[in-house]
Amino acid sequence: AQKVTQAQTEISVVEKEDVTLDCVYETRDTTYYLFWYKQPPSGELVFLIRRNSFDEQNEISGRYSWNFQKSTSSFNFTITASQVVDSAVYFCALSEEVAGRRALTFGSGTRLQVQP
Amino acid sequence: EPEVTQTPSHQVTQMGQEVILRCVPISNHLYFYWYRQILGQKVEFLVSFYNNEISEKSEIFDDQFSVERPDGSNFTLKIRSTKLEDSAMYFCASSDPSSSTYEQYFGPGTRLTVT
Repeated sequence: AQKVTQAQTEISVVEKEDVTLDCVYETRDTTYYLFWYKQPPSGELVFLIRRNSFDEQNEISGRYSWNFQKSTSSFNFTITASQVVDSAVYFCALSEEVAGRRALTFGSGTRLQVQP
Repeated sequence: EPEVTQTPSHQVTQMGQEVILRCVPISNHLYFYWYRQILGQKVEFLVSFYNNEISEKSEIFDDQFSVERPDGSNFTLKIRSTKLEDSAMYFCASSDPSSSTYEQYFGPGTRLTVT
């Protein structure tokens, strides 16, 4: 069965600090997809990134970067020079390619508080 | 940019009543999903729907729940006899089956409060 663990329940940083959100996953499938979603206080789920299991290349998008390591089953998310607007709950999620199964399994989320 | 819409944004109902939550997926998407999030907890998968039938469902999706695509645009989740523990945010999502990215686009959610 698939599982996503976000061990950090809440992180508090001061603006301009860098912060890394951890995500560890479990799956028996060899082909799978990993995602990060942001949930701001308004409640919607905002897609941030998707990564395929066969593509371990790290990605950078502005202040955001993601480090995917299959050897440790981790898909960590770093925000550089954090801003108050980054305050939200961040969810890591996994979907497997098994008989067309596409349901997302979410982690429990990490609440990030960025203080001014 | 196309988006998933959901109505109502907030629904209050009494225990035992039936509720229908509505979603309009992105027009060229063919996979539809319902997820729920109990306040302060993680997002949980309920059901996926493709080609006019349920393709997958979780243990949460018991006989009290049903889904339907009554016309070419709407996708609904019905809870037949609501319980207090059904209080949650319900998210609809859709995806394009021709996409290899498996990306699901989420609606803004319907907050269901059962009293």
